[in-house]
Amino acid sequence: DVKVTQSSRYLVKRTGEKVFLECVQDMDHENMFWYRQDPGLGLRLIYFSYDVKMKEKGDIPEGYSVSREKKERFSLILESASTNQTSMYLCASSPALSGSRYEQYFGPGTRLTVT
Amino acid sequence: GIQVEQSPPDLILQEGANSTLRCNFSDSVNNLQWFHQNPWGQLINLFYIPSGTKQNGRLSATTVATERYSLLYISSSQTTDSGVYFCAGGQNFVFGPGTRLSVLP
Repeated sequence: DVKVTQSSRYLVKRTGEKVFLECVQDMDHENMFWYRQDPGLGLRLIYFSYDVKMKEKGDIPEGYSVSREKKERFSLILESASTNQTSMYLCASSPALSGSRYEQYFGPGTRLTVT
Repeated sequence: GIQVEQSPPDLILQEGANSTLRCNFSDSVNNLQWFHQNPWGQLINLFYIPSGTKQNGRLSATTVATERYSLLYISSSQTTDSGVYFCAGGQNFVFGPGTRLSVLP
């Protein structure tokens, strides 16, 4: 079974802090994704990565950056956390970005509160 | 981009009842997935079903790719089936708004 793990289940940070969210997958997937989920807005893609050191912006990249130094690990960075970044953050991985192998596997999520 | 609709938005059932959830795409997709999000927020893969029919226990799904829709069937529902059901797919892996299911004991 694919396993995607996230570093924290719950996280509370103060406004202005630098925040790191870590995601690790164990299935040698090429592609990894970060989403945020908010009530009424559904899941929105922040960034994705299709290879080590490669990244692409999703729908809402503002205020976030990412890092992928190793294939199995994808980090989401909030450079200066703000209250409007309070959300559920979900990481996913996929063996492909198109075609019949483009299916996603999700981690358990990190519920981040910025006060 | 692709638009995804799901119906109904909310569904309340008595334990033991059957239900059908629908997902419509505005364009053809070849990577449709169904997920269940449990009350703790975990998205659980139910089916990867770009076309055809699959069954897993009390759940089954059918995708008619040529008509751009998919159906998720839940039979003999249990309280543990409660949560939100999402379909997703397409080049940018777009999620639908979800169907919130509540199964009452």
